Amino acid sequence: ELKVEQNPLFLSMQEGKNYTIYCNYSTTSDRLYWYRQDPGKSLESLFVLLSNGAVKQEGRLMASLDTKARLSTLHITAAVHDLSATYFCAVDIDQGGSEKLVFGKGTKLTVNP
Amino acid sequence: DGGITQSPKYLFRKEGQNVTLSCEQNLNHDAMYWYRQDPGQGLRLIYYSQIVNDFQKGDIAEGYSVSREKKESFPLTVTSAQKNPTAFYLCASSVVGPWGTQYFGPGTRLLVL
Repeated sequence: ELKVEQNPLFLSMQEGKNYTIYCNYSTTSDRLYWYRQDPGKSLESLFVLLSNGAVKQEGRLMASLDTKARLSTLHITAAVHDLSATYFCAVDIDQGGSEKLVFGKGTKLTVNP
Repeated sequence: DGGITQSPKYLFRKEGQNVTLSCEQNLNHDAMYWYRQDPGQGLRLIYYSQIVNDFQKGDIAEGYSVSREKKESFPLTVTSAQKNPTAFYLCASSVVGPWGTQYFGPGTRLLVL
């Protein structure tokens, strides 16, 4: 059974600081997604990582994928309050010809002034 | 506007009652999904469908049923057999294939009276 583990699960940081969220998974996959969820809202797609070594950047967020280590990171640079949200990674697995996503439990990020 | 709609936004269920959650998309996506989210948890897959008139059980299908009579629609019924239905339910859709990012609807919050 595929397991997807995120850490930390809770992260409180000050504006202007840098930090990294980690996503480890337990089986072979070369497709990983990052989503953002604001309180009471739906999920918004942030990044799609489709191969080993893939790196994507959008504003203060940068995501990378190492399929050999089964690890993805979401790096936050110079955090601002607007980044406060819960961030989920999701691993795409091929199950009997069907694609399905397995989600981590999420990292709740709070950026304090 | 292309997108995914879910209704209602809030739904109250009495004990022993079946309720149906609506999900409609106009993105021309073949694949549709239902997830359940409990507080502080990631998303868990209930059912998914990759083509009209066909669907597969996800990880927590017991107590739920679905139909896929039209490409645009994938309603979820929460039956009386689901003993702990209180949760946030999210519908998603995607193109079929390994590069298909899943896009999510706004969600339905189900509460038990």
